[in-house]
Amino acid sequence: QVHLVESGGGVVQPGKSLRLSCATSGFTFSTYGIHWVRQTPGKGLEWVAVIWYDGSRKEYADSVKGRFTISRDNSKNTLYLQMNSLRVEDTAVYYCARAQSTATGPLDYWGQGTLVTVSS
Amino acid sequence: QVVLTQSPSASASLGASVKFTCTVSSGHSDYDIAWHQQRPDKGPRYLMRLNSDGSHSRGDGIPDRFSGSSSGAERYLAISSLQSEDEADYFCQTWGTDYSVFGGGTKLTVL
Repeated sequence: QVHLVESGGGVVQPGKSLRLSCATSGFTFSTYGIHWVRQTPGKGLEWVAVIWYDGSRKEYADSVKGRFTISRDNSKNTLYLQMNSLRVEDTAVYYCARAQSTATGPLDYWGQGTLVTVSS
Repeated sequence: QVVLTQSPSASASLGASVKFTCTVSSGHSDYDIAWHQQRPDKGPRYLMRLNSDGSHSRGDGIPDRFSGSSSGAERYLAISSLQSEDEADYFCQTWGTDYSVFGGGTKLTVL
């Protein structure tokens, strides 16, 4: 059974940093692209970043480019999101999701999300 | 970049059928999409991949009450025999070689 479990969310002041993790199980992690997607409370879904199956390529939404870094450890079946220079508008629930391919495509399994609140 | 447009809300009665629309922006009518369901206070759940030719493949454990179809730039999700548990937000998603995009979502109320 495929599982993705996010952790690391919390309350942080503007300008500070936070690192999210996404622990996975039930599938061969090293053969799938994995994405981060966020959702502002009461609003829609916003794609944040993707990392290729082997970590060779990473792409970001313009809203987080230069501030967030996606990475993965295929030996630990774990995905990360390093978030620096956080802004109030980064407040959201952050989900990791598996793509149905080595990079992009339908997101066929999702985690339950972790809440990040950026506030002074 | 492609844009997906959804109506913000829909309603239908218990046991009835409902159909949602996701419109792909001009010039992108060949894009495949995915449909996702998000129940209150839950993470999204993948329902199906829907291709531009109307063929679709449901996710694991998704009942055949959920079906998809396409016409031009329109992508549809139909739910038959509505149950109370179907009350949720429904999002469409598409993707390019290095990005993904979501529609704004449609909130379904089951009466």
